[in-house]
Amino acid sequence: DVKVTQSSRYLVKRTGEKVFLECVQDMDHENMFWYRQDPGLGLRLIYFSYDVKMKEKGDIPEGYSVSREKKERFSLILESASTNQTSMYLCASIGGESGANVLTFGAGSRLTVL
Amino acid sequence: GNSVTQMEGPVTLSEEAFLTINCTYTATGYPSLFWYVQYPGEGLQLLLKATKADDKGSNKGFEATYRKETTSFHLEKGSVQVSDSAVYFCALTSPKAAGNKLTFGGGTRVLVKP
Repeated sequence: DVKVTQSSRYLVKRTGEKVFLECVQDMDHENMFWYRQDPGLGLRLIYFSYDVKMKEKGDIPEGYSVSREKKERFSLILESASTNQTSMYLCASIGGESGANVLTFGAGSRLTVL
Repeated sequence: GNSVTQMEGPVTLSEEAFLTINCTYTATGYPSLFWYVQYPGEGLQLLLKATKADDKGSNKGFEATYRKETTSFHLEKGSVQVSDSAVYFCALTSPKAAGNKLTFGGGTRVLVKP
């Protein structure tokens, strides 16, 4: 099975801190995604990447950046964390035997910004 | 652009009751449709999918039929169990979506009581 691993399950940061959220997938998938999940809003796409060093803005990229230096790793960066970035962050990759459109998600990283 | 609307929760049911979660969509072209489920403390996982009109996706006793005429993909289960308590997300991807990205609905929390 594809495994998507998010290194931090829970983080607490202060306003203005720089935050790194790391995501690694082990099945050589081309496409990787970062979503944030908020109650009543579902999942909203922040950024995605379809290849190493390639990135595309999603629906809510403001306040975030990403890095994809290696195919298996996709990092989300909050340059200066703010309280409105308190959320659950979900990383996903796409591919596999089930078909090209099936996303596999990590367990999530819950970030609290004080 | 693409959008997904699903009924707001929470939905509270007794064990063995019938569950329906409504989902309608707006999309260009002919999208693929998905239901994802998120159990407490976990990431999202694919529950079922349908890739063309009149297709029926099914898994774990859940079913959903791709209705192009009503742009709907309602999720149903005839007899729910306590273990079905989770948040359910309807999602779509259209053939021209960059990077195969998915658009999600807001999620519906389901609570099944013994």
